[in-house]
Amino acid sequence: QSALTQPASVSGSPGQSITISCTGTSSDIGAYNYVSWFQQHPGKAPKLMISDVSVRPSGVSNRFSGSKSGTTASLTISGLQAEDEADYYCSSYTSFHTVIFGGGTKVTV
Amino acid sequence: EVQLVESGGGLVQPGESLRLSCVASGFTFTPYTINWVRQAPGKGLEWISYISGDYRRIFYSDSVKGRFTVSRDNAKNSVYLQMDSLRVEDTAIYYCTRDMSYIQFEPWGQGTLVTVSS
Repeated sequence: QSALTQPASVSGSPGQSITISCTGTSSDIGAYNYVSWFQQHPGKAPKLMISDVSVRPSGVSNRFSGSKSGTTASLTISGLQAEDEADYYCSSYTSFHTVIFGGGTKVTV
Repeated sequence: EVQLVESGGGLVQPGESLRLSCVASGFTFTPYTINWVRQAPGKGLEWISYISGDYRRIFYSDSVKGRFTVSRDNAKNSVYLQMDSLRVEDTAIYYCTRDMSYIQFEPWGQGTLVTVSS
């Protein structure tokens, strides 16, 4: 199964909003509302930012929001800050009872 | 503190085996599914396996199926990844992570580096 499709990079200025797309198929994103997003800073372990398409775990800034339409999920970061500069990965549960990640998006502020 | 700690990584030659361990602390271990995710140098995240708390649900990615075996010992709060027939392309940092519910992966361990090279 191929990885979910994400743009390689997205950039924005401080204070702006950016959106990262994540495109899958009817066997993963289109099949369930189990889409998560992870943030990873260089040399660090990933951190959960969004689960279940749009749920923010405790402690995650409300500047981060998620959505889904059909087979495409999206992560929006509003009020962009320098600390948001990182790699972001989407992931989805699949109809094969496995998990699939996107290729990752480098966010530059 | 809720924590996962991986160990067992190292340098091996192609075709050799390695066993990774993931030890949990700070939470009740038994109910949770534990996943293994790896990251090749400079590359993205790749899910490779999970095992449910009751040992009943075990799944693998196609890239490791038939070569890797996941197991756990709830009495020791531990999950293991037996990696056989290792290939150069298995070189990566291997993370274990707790699944709170359908890819609610948190926390993650610090990772252990596996290098497969001749």
